[in-house]
Amino acid sequence: KAGVTQTPRYLIKTRGQQVTLSCSPISGHRSVSWYQQTPGQGLQFLFEYFSETQRNKGNFPGRFSGRQFSNSRSEMNVSTLELGDSALYLCASNTQEREQYFGPGTRLTVT
Amino acid sequence: GNSVTQMEGPVTLSEEAFLTINCTYTATGYPSLFWYVQYPGEGLQLLLKATKADDKGSNKGFEATYRKETTSFHLEKGSVQVSDSAVYFCALDGTGYSTLTFGKGTMLLVSP
Repeated sequence: KAGVTQTPRYLIKTRGQQVTLSCSPISGHRSVSWYQQTPGQGLQFLFEYFSETQRNKGNFPGRFSGRQFSNSRSEMNVSTLELGDSALYLCASNTQEREQYFGPGTRLTVT
Repeated sequence: GNSVTQMEGPVTLSEEAFLTINCTYTATGYPSLFWYVQYPGEGLQLLLKATKADDKGSNKGFEATYRKETTSFHLEKGSVQVSDSAVYFCALDGTGYSTLTFGKGTMLLVSP
């Protein structure tokens, strides 16, 4: 079974731009979670989607948004990028037993 | 709210030494507890889990026991290898759907 795929793996953007990150979960998994990882704040939950519905959201500003498609693929979008948005963004594919399997992440650098 | 506290690293050991990484948590209800491992340049890998008090999770020689009375989930391994060098994260899942709260992570460095 293929693992979690995240694209792109690396991204460099300028302040004020917007960015879209993509995640394809493990086949058969209908729930996807997103996390931000930074050296200062560690791993922080962004949001979780199940069957195209956002069920839970972390404490992030409205510039961070996401969606899920009918094939369970998910995207997250960050608008009006700030330097502090530089991070590793991790997507997790979730089982019904609430185990989470992570992708390799997208490394976003904002300059 | 929920929180996870891990011992600060790095933890530096020689090959074949015994490993303990402490983890304590604060949570309402009865969370599931997890250990994840992150190798350089990679995402997180689920190492082991426990879903209720006194459960012992184990995988690849690593073990952790869910202790409700001490709110702890310490990670142990009897004999570490150089290949175990990585960052280890303790986490709990209790507040909502597939929402993990992580500790800060503990870096383990194993020398030959």
